[in-house]
Amino acid sequence: DQQVKQNSPSLSVQEGRISILNCDYTNSMFDYFLWYKKYPAEGPTFLISISSIKDKNEDGRFTVFLNKSAKHLSLHIVPSQPGDSAVYFCAASETYNTDKLIFGTGTRLQVFP
Amino acid sequence: DTAVSQTPKYLVTQMGNDKSIKCEQNLGHDTMYWYKQDSKKFLKIMFSYNNKELIINETVPNRFSPKSPDKAHLNLHINSLELGDSAVYFCASSQDAFLTGDTQYFGPGTRLTVL
Repeated sequence: DQQVKQNSPSLSVQEGRISILNCDYTNSMFDYFLWYKKYPAEGPTFLISISSIKDKNEDGRFTVFLNKSAKHLSLHIVPSQPGDSAVYFCAASETYNTDKLIFGTGTRLQVFP
Repeated sequence: DTAVSQTPKYLVTQMGNDKSIKCEQNLGHDTMYWYKQDSKKFLKIMFSYNNKELIINETVPNRFSPKSPDKAHLNLHINSLELGDSAVYFCASSQDAFLTGDTQYFGPGTRLTVL
């Protein structure tokens, strides 16, 4: 049973435009969400996170939005750059099990010139 | 300079063999993890150790045995390898397992292929 889902395996965006990566979850006990970025042959690196007490968190070009009622979060990258081309993983955890991250299957983002 | 390192990067072996994957972190973190990324790209936690003690063991066959000789190392030993064990295995670490939202730092992964 996949508790964190990224339904788009790939996304292609032109440089300078907005990239929107989506993530859905089923477990209502999740209250902390993270996005990781992964380049080929490297491990995932932390990008940005959001707690369930917020609905938006922004860090430079990256913004994560959380819609608790819809159990949906999204990562916005504006403007997109070719260096953003990577696989993006959404992950979630529960308050009392914070070291146990549940990952989605990832979305491959390609930013073309 | 590498924060979390794994060796080897690639491992090709025959069914039935026993193999180990080593992981080391130089971040001074208290908690280390092993994840398995299967052919469907699903990244799933296997084990978690905090200060050399096992705190998470996710329905992993007994053939998999993590060993933590010290806080900076968490090795993964796999006995009697099976075809289904073929995957990429990631090691990770974090400062404090019980700190909400503590960032995990990942190693580069070890691609295991069982023939």
